[in-house]
Amino acid sequence: ETGVTQTPRHLVMGMTNKKSLKCEQHLGHNAMYWYKQSAKKPLELMFVYNFKEQTENNSVPSRFSPECPNSSHLFLHLHTLQPEDSALYLCASSLGTGNSPLHFGNGTRLTVT
Amino acid sequence: AQSVTQLGSHVSVSEGALVLLRCNYSSSVPPYLFWYVQYPNQGLQLLLKYTTGATLVKGINGFEAEFKKSETSFHLTKPSAHMSDAAEYFCAVSAPYGGSQGNLIFGKGTKLSVKP
Repeated sequence: ETGVTQTPRHLVMGMTNKKSLKCEQHLGHNAMYWYKQSAKKPLELMFVYNFKEQTENNSVPSRFSPECPNSSHLFLHLHTLQPEDSALYLCASSLGTGNSPLHFGNGTRLTVT
Repeated sequence: AQSVTQLGSHVSVSEGALVLLRCNYSSSVPPYLFWYVQYPNQGLQLLLKYTTGATLVKGINGFEAEFKKSETSFHLTKPSAHMSDAAEYFCAVSAPYGGSQGNLIFGKGTKLSVKP
């Protein structure tokens, strides 16, 4: 149990589908993050929310749409994805200060067909 | 801007041998540095971190890392490798203050294999 729970663990979707990834943390953290992990590339920071406010959007295509209704929940809404979007999507949370480590979920393995 | 370079995408050692995973960073401000480990089909788990104070940092599972400002390095070591150490290891840097504080920038990772 990592304290950060992501669902689903695996997702296969067609390019015309709409789906959502869910992340929930029970650590009392204020900041939540979406990272994308692709083979042979560094983890890419996608979005950051601090106290429910989006503080970073790292030039992510609009087919990825985040939502943070409260400090414990984070969603990533997906629509009209491309095959190159296939990756492991990791959610993380932290206290949001420079020295506070990130706590990661186990990720959602997304395959776009 | 900050960045991290991990030398060697794959390192192989024998069980009982020294583990050395290299990390160099670039940062315009004094950085906070982290090492994470990722086992197959799992998320990343914190091994250790350096923020301020003692430059030799001890972490979980017998790992340690030393912050060397003059070399802009934060290499990860373990005196004696165990089969269970086989995993992928990530070095990360964050800014201690400012709008991006807390946002970790990761290296590409080093996959560690341990031979019996």
